[in-house]
Amino acid sequence: EPEVTQTPSHQVTQMGQEVILRCVPISNHLYFYWYRQILGQKVEFLVSFYNNEISEKSEIFDDQFSVERPDGSNFTLKIRSTKLEDSAMYFCARHLGGAYGYTFGSGTRLTVV
Amino acid sequence: SQQGEEDPQALSIQEGENATMNCSYKTSINNLQWYRQNSGRGLVHLILIRSNEREKHSGRLRVTLDTSKKSSSLLITASRAADTASYFCATDVNFGNEKLTFGTGTRLTIIP
Repeated sequence: EPEVTQTPSHQVTQMGQEVILRCVPISNHLYFYWYRQILGQKVEFLVSFYNNEISEKSEIFDDQFSVERPDGSNFTLKIRSTKLEDSAMYFCARHLGGAYGYTFGSGTRLTVV
Repeated sequence: SQQGEEDPQALSIQEGENATMNCSYKTSINNLQWYRQNSGRGLVHLILIRSNEREKHSGRLRVTLDTSKKSSSLLITASRAADTASYFCATDVNFGNEKLTFGTGTRLTIIP
């Protein structure tokens, strides 16, 4: 069983629609992150979440984006009004802190049409 | 150039040969990590090397770090077809927050 589960694995949405991407980071964790990867490009940091609040966000993470932990275990990324350029793979990740690697989810492929 | 650039961008070798990928970065780091990504899949953590370490081994993987040159290399020995994937270096520059800045990646193809 994967340690970080993302749903859905693939979502197609029309431009202007809202989407919610979900992540379930199992077991103990301190830091949560969302990253995205536009097809063929590098993985980009979006936002970090610590102690139930945003600790850092990139310039990509504008007012159209928001993150929540609605029930203490799920971790969501919401895009309020999707644009074509939001099409990408979105990865959530967890990190225990210290000199440990990250555990990434398998990603959600978002396609905005 | 950006923090974290790998070279080569693509590498094809015969199965059994060794594969070496390089990563350069620009700022001081807390640690450097290597990840593998199979096509269209998630990122898998391979190995982490701290800024005060120079070399680290894990199975067939060997990572070096030269902080004076701001560079790292990943060596995969005795390559297998299953090693075919993209490999990314990622730097952690802020101890505490610890977001990662990824490189551009090397696409490794192992020819059976």
